Amino acid sequence: EMEMTQSPATLSVSPGERATLSCRASQSVSNNLAWYQQIPGQAPRLLIYGASTRASGISARFSGSGSGTEFTLTISSLQSEDFALYYCQHYNNWPPITFGQGTRLEIK
Amino acid sequence: QVQLVESGGGVVQPGRSLRLSCAASRFTFSTYAMHWVRQAPGKGLEWVAVISYDGSNHNYADSVKGRFTISRDNSKNTLYLQMNSLRAEDTAVYYCARDPGILEPYYYMDVWGKGTTVTVSS
Repeated sequence: EMEMTQSPATLSVSPGERATLSCRASQSVSNNLAWYQQIPGQAPRLLIYGASTRASGISARFSGSGSGTEFTLTISSLQSEDFALYYCQHYNNWPPITFGQGTRLEIK
Repeated sequence: QVQLVESGGGVVQPGRSLRLSCAASRFTFSTYAMHWVRQAPGKGLEWVAVISYDGSNHNYADSVKGRFTISRDNSKNTLYLQMNSLRAEDTAVYYCARDPGILEPYYYMDVWGKGTTVTVSS
């Protein structure tokens, strides 16, 4: 079964700075990767699909990159509402669909 | 605005059954595949099941296969999850989510409901 590993588990960044979150797949998923944001107590929200395409209504401060097994979510100029949990999810060679364990982005 | 509203959660004893519902509105429900995803307390997201736009195909996570059944009623714009033989480890918030693929699923989720909480405890 495909494993998705996110790093770091927790990332501390100051408002206004850039955050870089990583996601690694145990085997190639091509560009079939999505990123979600989850504010505690709320439902997840789709940020990125196809590894690099922003979902509708998502700020240009969010960008995704990578293909194969290595992926990155970059959030530029962090704002207060960006401090949340972030999950990657592959959708290659399903089922099953699997998520990473998440990265908590916290205020430094 | 596209909306998904889950219901049916609650406290249930181990071994019992529960049926979750997800009411969809403001989009053409019958043309989209739909997913259930769950999140145990303090844990990450776990995909549970997917059903095709017309209900003819479905897939399940190994952890629920043989116990859970996903179904839909397109005339009622409603998705269901029948959960049998519930275990303590099924305790979670259950989200329904839309797959953005029209007629053919893409297997990620672009619209999520707020979730309904299921607690399995004696």
